[in-house]
Amino acid sequence: DGGITQSPKYLFRKEGQNVTLSCEQNLNHDAMYWYRQDPGQGLRLIYYSQIVNDFQKGDIAEGYSVSREKKESFPLTVTSAQKNPTAFYLCASSNRAGGAKNIQYFGAGTRLSVL
Amino acid sequence: EDQVTQSPEALRLQEGESSSLNCSYTVSGLRGLFWYRQDPGKGPEFLFTLYSAGEEKEKERLKATLTKKESFLHITAPKPEDSATYLCAVQTLTQGGSEKLVFGKGTKLTVNP
Repeated sequence: DGGITQSPKYLFRKEGQNVTLSCEQNLNHDAMYWYRQDPGQGLRLIYYSQIVNDFQKGDIAEGYSVSREKKESFPLTVTSAQKNPTAFYLCASSNRAGGAKNIQYFGAGTRLSVL
Repeated sequence: EDQVTQSPEALRLQEGESSSLNCSYTVSGLRGLFWYRQDPGKGPEFLFTLYSAGEEKEKERLKATLTKKESFLHITAPKPEDSATYLCAVQTLTQGGSEKLVFGKGTKLTVNP
């Protein structure tokens, strides 16, 4: 069954702690994305990667870091520098077909809360 | 700056009462418009992609249309299971030449039995 798996579903962060959110896809997609969703706001792009070993900052990258060592995996680390990390985090992937064919498919999300 | 505005923010319908959701956009170069459905606590589910003005797509009780400035999601004879938040997004280019989605804030639809 092809899809995008995010784990854990719920995550709690203590003050000063770094936490890592996992995102794995078996859709053979080249591109992967991380978004943050806050109540009453649209999805905001944190980081994206078009190919392995390459990634770019999105609109709200401060306090976050990523890596793309494998095509299937794109983990997101929320560092202690992110002062307001409580949000719903969504990972997506796409085949980079271009334009209207470049459809992003999403995982089920990770809800991060601060203790 | 690329912008996507969805209206209304929330919509309550009775079962069978048809209506439309609006998505207006201002982008430097539209490369595609997408509609997603999102249930509470879950990731968005892809519904439609549109590219050309005048284009229409249908799926069950939903029909999406596109003009040069906006898109509509028409819901015909909705059922309670259509209750969800509907997200609109436009595909644009980053400064680096990659494609990215710009999302609206969504319309929360509630269909009462």
